[in-house]
Amino acid sequence: DSGVTQTPKHLITATGQRVTLRCSPRSGDLSVYWYQQSLDQGLQFLIQYYNGEERAKGNILERFSAQQFPDLHSELNLSSLELGDSALYFCASSAGLAGGPFFGPGTRLTVL
Amino acid sequence: LAKTTQPISMDSYEGQEVNITCSHNNIATNDYITWYQQFPSQGPRFIIQGYKTKVKNEVASLFIPADRKSSTLSLPRVSLSDTAVYYCLVAKGGGDMDTGRRALTFGSGTRLQVQP
Repeated sequence: DSGVTQTPKHLITATGQRVTLRCSPRSGDLSVYWYQQSLDQGLQFLIQYYNGEERAKGNILERFSAQQFPDLHSELNLSSLELGDSALYFCASSAGLAGGPFFGPGTRLTVL
Repeated sequence: LAKTTQPISMDSYEGQEVNITCSHNNIATNDYITWYQQFPSQGPRFIIQGYKTKVKNEVASLFIPADRKSSTLSLPRVSLSDTAVYYCLVAKGGGDMDTGRRALTFGSGTRLQVQP
């Protein structure tokens, strides 16, 4: 168990809908990273937050947004969902880079 | 950011030692090297991290030559349960005062298949 929790584990929705994925980092970790992994694909970096502020952005679509709250949990919002958004979404956290980052179990999103 | 290159796949047999090498020619002075293991539909699991020379823990060893342009993950006596994808990640380290920007980009990983 990495100490990073993600909810929900599974999410099934329809095209055009909006969903929110939630991540709770390990205790004390200030950095949160979001990744997308489509079937049999690699890990695509989406965005990083550090102590509530956006720090780095990857190839994140404009339909996607994220935020990190004062209690350090983070949410990834996906809107106007398309079939191609079906994927595993992982959150990871770290305190600096010492011994991490550590990944959560992921949320499997299925868009029908 | 240092780009990484790994073999796409490797095959081994149970009980053998497996060495997976990652090339990172453009590694920066303050970059650390981290290795992960990922099983299907699971989050990547942290295996080991190092900066230079050799690091060892209960599951693996990490060898980093002096020029740090490559690193080798060594898995001793693999079993069927070690069949997975292995990723190396090269990224800036941090400390207590770190507020760094880190677009942690993974390479394609190495798919290790262990046969009985």
